[in-house]
Amino acid sequence: DIQMTQSPSSLSASVGDRVSIPCQASQDISNFLNWYQKKPGRAPKLLIYDASNLATGVPLRFSGSGSGTYFNFTISSLQPEDLATYFCQQYHDLPITFGLGTRLEIK
Amino acid sequence: QVQLVQSGAEMKKPGASVKVSCKASGYTLTGYYLHWVRQAPGQGFEWMGWLNPNSGATNYAQNFQGRVTMTSDTSINTAYMELRRLTSDDTAIYYCARVEAILGWFDPWGQGTQVTVSS
Repeated sequence: DIQMTQSPSSLSASVGDRVSIPCQASQDISNFLNWYQKKPGRAPKLLIYDASNLATGVPLRFSGSGSGTYFNFTISSLQPEDLATYFCQQYHDLPITFGLGTRLEIK
Repeated sequence: QVQLVQSGAEMKKPGASVKVSCKASGYTLTGYYLHWVRQAPGQGFEWMGWLNPNSGATNYAQNFQGRVTMTSDTSINTAYMELRRLTSDDTAIYYCARVEAILGWFDPWGQGTQVTVSS
């Protein structure tokens, strides 16, 4: 199985900060990598698909980059409503696997 | 709008089975693949398998082979996931999610169904 590593497990930043969250795959997954936002009690929401494509209706402050084994998710200017856990998912191979997520806290 | 609405929370005894439903609205179930994912308390997401509602074809994760069945009733635009021989390790929130092709991104997700297994 492809292991998806997200570190750190939590991150604290201030409103307006630029925040980057990394995700590393245990083997080359090309660009078959998606990013989601999870808020407590709510369903996960797709933010970025295929490493760098913004999902419909997602604010432009969110972006993704990377290919192969190393990926980055960035919020260009952190907003209070971005308090959530962000996790990556690969679909290069079955089984589909997920990172454990990075919990973003607002200072 | 496109939406997946799941059935309510379930409480089951060890050894029992649970069947979770996932009703699609805003689109025709047969036009997309339907995946199931779960998240146990304090754990990451775990992929369970996919269903092609158009053909009935399925692909289950090895961890669930022989214990899970994914089906659909296209007349009511609803998919189902049945998990048998439950143990406390199956306590989790179960999600259905739509995918355009066999593999891809999950969008949207259902709201989740809490399944608790306890004696």
